[in-house]
Amino acid sequence: KQEVTQIPAALSVPEGENLVLNCSFTDSAIYNLQWFRQDPGKGLTSLLLIQSSQREQTSGRLNASLDKSSGRSTLYIAASQPGDSATYLCAATQGGSEKLVFGKGTKLTVNP
Amino acid sequence: EAQVTQNPRYLITVTGKKLTVTCSQNMNHEYMSWYRQDPGLGLRQIYYSMNVEVTDKGDVPEGYKVSRKEKRNFPLILESPSPNQTSLYFCASEDLSAGLSYEQYFGPGTRLTVT
Repeated sequence: KQEVTQIPAALSVPEGENLVLNCSFTDSAIYNLQWFRQDPGKGLTSLLLIQSSQREQTSGRLNASLDKSSGRSTLYIAASQPGDSATYLCAATQGGSEKLVFGKGTKLTVNP
Repeated sequence: EAQVTQNPRYLITVTGKKLTVTCSQNMNHEYMSWYRQDPGLGLRQIYYSMNVEVTDKGDVPEGYKVSRKEKRNFPLILESPSPNQTSLYFCASEDLSAGLSYEQYFGPGTRLTVT
C-alpha cells in the first residue's frame, strides 16, 4: 500500500529565503507526482506535475524534482515571499485507479 | 473558464437526512473522483469514475454513493449521514483522452457538518 510522507510538517522562514520541501513515497510504481498548494479553508491548486519518466519540472520560482528509485520528490521555492504561505501537499498517482495518495502536507509560513 | 464546481460550498445537516453534493466539470474530462479531507488523516479517496456509467470504490466508500449518468456530473450522495462524515469534501477531474496520467483539477470544496 502506497504511503506518502512529508517532512517537516511545518516550516517558518524569513522572506527571501530559498527553501526545500520534502516528499517521500514507499511504492515507486507511480504514474506521476503532483504538488499542490492549499490556502486555509480553500481548495487545492495544482502547482507542478512530474511524470514518472521525468526528473524535474519548473514553473516560475518553483522547481520540483522526482527520484523514483529512492522514492523521493522535492519542491524548491526560490526567493520566498509572504504570499507563499500555505500548506503544500504532494500526491502520488497510482496506476489503474488514477488515485492520488496524498501526504499530510507541510505548512509553510514566510515571515515579512 | 475551465473549472470544477461543487455545490453547496457549506452544509450543516442532521443525522439521517439524505443529502447530495453536486460536482460538475466543463473540461470534458473522463475521470472524476471524490476525496474527503480530515485533520490528521489528510485527503482520502471515496469513489472514482473512469467514464460515464463506470464507477468504483476508493479507500473510504462506506456511507457514500455516487452516480455518473453524464460525463460532466459526478454527484456524491449520503443516504443517511452520520457525524463521522463531517469533513471537507473535494471533487476532482482529469483528462484521460491522451492515455497518459495528467494533473487532476480540484473543485473548491464542500464543508459538511453533520450534527
